[in-house]
Amino acid sequence: KAGVTQTPRYLIKTRGQQVTLSCSPISGHRSVSWYQQTPGQGLQFLFEYFSETQRNKGNFPGRFSGRQFSNSRSEMNVSTLELGDSALYLCASSPVGNYGYTFGSGTRLTVV
Amino acid sequence: EDQVTQSPEALRLQEGESSSLNCSYTVSGLRGLFWYRQDPGKGPEFLFTLYSAGEEKEKERLKATLTKKESFLHITAPKPEDSATYLCAVQALQGGSEKLVFGKGTKLTVNP
Repeated sequence: KAGVTQTPRYLIKTRGQQVTLSCSPISGHRSVSWYQQTPGQGLQFLFEYFSETQRNKGNFPGRFSGRQFSNSRSEMNVSTLELGDSALYLCASSPVGNYGYTFGSGTRLTVV
Repeated sequence: EDQVTQSPEALRLQEGESSSLNCSYTVSGLRGLFWYRQDPGKGPEFLFTLYSAGEEKEKERLKATLTKKESFLHITAPKPEDSATYLCAVQALQGGSEKLVFGKGTKLTVNP
């Protein structure tokens, strides 16, 4: 069966711009979580969506937001990009959000 | 605050030289402990889930164990293809929902 699909794989943006990343979960999975991965901080939890509702949120500024659609696909948006937002953004899906997290390959965002 | 600490940060082994990776954690309400493997440029790949102290799981050359405060990933007779970053994560209950809290990983290099 198809895995978690993240698009695009690579993205280069300029400081001050905004960006939208997409995640298509495994069919039947209703929970989608987003993580930011950097060499210094490792993987840090951004937020989780379940049935179109944000269930949990990490310690990131309000510039980071997300949403989930009725087909469980999810998008995350980062506004007013900063150089420090350069990272690998990972999406993970789970049947109900309490086990069996499967990760996508990520979107590599570079802010210049 | 929920924390996960992995050691060592990096480990170099010769092919066939067995060793262990450590993951110590402090979390309120542990729901599960996960081990993932991550190759460069890819998302984490699920290896094991452990739920209670004393539990053990095995897969090929890998064996994961869990105590009340830490988990070990034992690698027996490793091969160069086992080279990767190994990530430990705990599933913590926060604000009525659950999230994964990751350690920063152990980068394993196995030389032929």
